[in-house]
Amino acid sequence: GAGVSQSPRYKVTKRGQDVALRCDPISGHVSLYWYRQALGQGPEFLTYFNYEAQQDKSGLPNDRFSAERPEGSISTLTIQRTEQRDSAMYRCASSLVAAYSGNTIYFGEGSWLTVV
Amino acid sequence: GQQLNQSPQSMFIQEGEDVSMNCTSSSIFNTWLWYKQDPGEGPVLLIALYKAGELTSNGRLTAQFGITRKDSFLNISASIPSDVGIYFCAGPTSTETSGSRLTFGEGTQLTVNP
Repeated sequence: GAGVSQSPRYKVTKRGQDVALRCDPISGHVSLYWYRQALGQGPEFLTYFNYEAQQDKSGLPNDRFSAERPEGSISTLTIQRTEQRDSAMYRCASSLVAAYSGNTIYFGEGSWLTVV
Repeated sequence: GQQLNQSPQSMFIQEGEDVSMNCTSSSIFNTWLWYKQDPGEGPVLLIALYKAGELTSNGRLTAQFGITRKDSFLNISASIPSDVGIYFCAGPTSTETSGSRLTFGEGTQLTVNP
């Protein structure tokens, strides 16, 4: 696609439910990143993939969070047993090549998650 | 972990004024990035800096990579209403060449009054 596409744009869920957030990166982009952004804060790194391989998941807050990218394109971030503190904007980003400098990272519009 | 401190947190200026904001870190960064985030959108890269002392311009924007590699500033000249948004500094924390984990500052919220 033309840009990084995320769905759903808005998700309200009850505490304890599982949620899955989807990211469709720019076509042909090798690297895919997940960030979380709380209101009034900058994005916070969660995890990233090169192709289908998860290269770094050290930013995932705990084992309720997981991500996959099985075919090296679309990725899903799953949060199990959601808690109110999980409420935030979840942003996906992609880059054409594994970009050390970050200068080719393109962000999506994000998925707003509210846990009630 | 590495942290980036941005100042000021917010700015309210009149159209036509110049703006300056900065970013500091207790750790050395080898690359400094400046992003702008419009309401409802994701961050968009404005300027990338790769060398200590480097001064780079992009239209009305000018950014500098501090000599100590622990700070950077962004200037906007002759501000216009569409400059409104949140400006983030960021730097990669990974030393690998195979990936990029960006650390972001908390942002500077800019409001421009017509």
